Amino acid sequence: QKEVEQNSGPLSVPEGAIASLNCTYSDRGSQSFFWYRQYSGKSPELIMSIYSNGDKEDGRFTAQLNKASQYVSLLIRDSQPSDSATYLCAVRIFTGGGNKLTFGTGTQLKVEL
Amino acid sequence: EAGVVQSPRYKIIEKKQPVAFWCNPISGHNTLYWYLQNLGQGPELLIRYENEEAVDDSQLPKDRFSAERLKGVDSTLKIQPAELGDSAVYLCASSLRQGSYEQYFGPGTRLTVT
Repeated sequence: QKEVEQNSGPLSVPEGAIASLNCTYSDRGSQSFFWYRQYSGKSPELIMSIYSNGDKEDGRFTAQLNKASQYVSLLIRDSQPSDSATYLCAVRIFTGGGNKLTFGTGTQLKVEL
Repeated sequence: EAGVVQSPRYKIIEKKQPVAFWCNPISGHNTLYWYLQNLGQGPELLIRYENEEAVDDSQLPKDRFSAERLKGVDSTLKIQPAELGDSAVYLCASSLRQGSYEQYFGPGTRLTVT
């Protein structure tokens, strides 16, 4: 089982719709969760962090965390073509070398006109 | 506030040649990370520095890779000799302090080994 799993997509949604991106993780002791957006040919950009169960909203973005079920999701409301990118889920996982961020492989989102 | 700076942005070398990447983190950020990202994959940690100390280098292939962070600011990652499989994007990231895992990435260096 991978430490952080995401559906690679592509996930296609029409402009104005809600995009829902999901991520599951294997380490039940994980405490910190992050969403990064990565445009093609660019580096990852931090867009959301969440540490507690429940929802966290920031503009059109909402991160949702359910530690009991070991999943974290990102909702993008009123999706725009500029939201088309790969979204990386990252989880702080304890390893032999200490805590580190482990990234999923990313979900490609396409927002269509 | 300036972001993480990396150079060069692109590098093409022949196998068995050495190569070095440079990173300047966000001012005041004590923690610095080097990642490797292959196409279609998420970034994978190579090494993490807290100030000038390498606190996690368990994923760094030490037979050919080396890194340093003199004076706890700029950092250099070196590969010698490079292999075909080292072709990837090398990303540098920084965070404000130990325990803060909100990391901010530089633009990366795309390495092609021929």
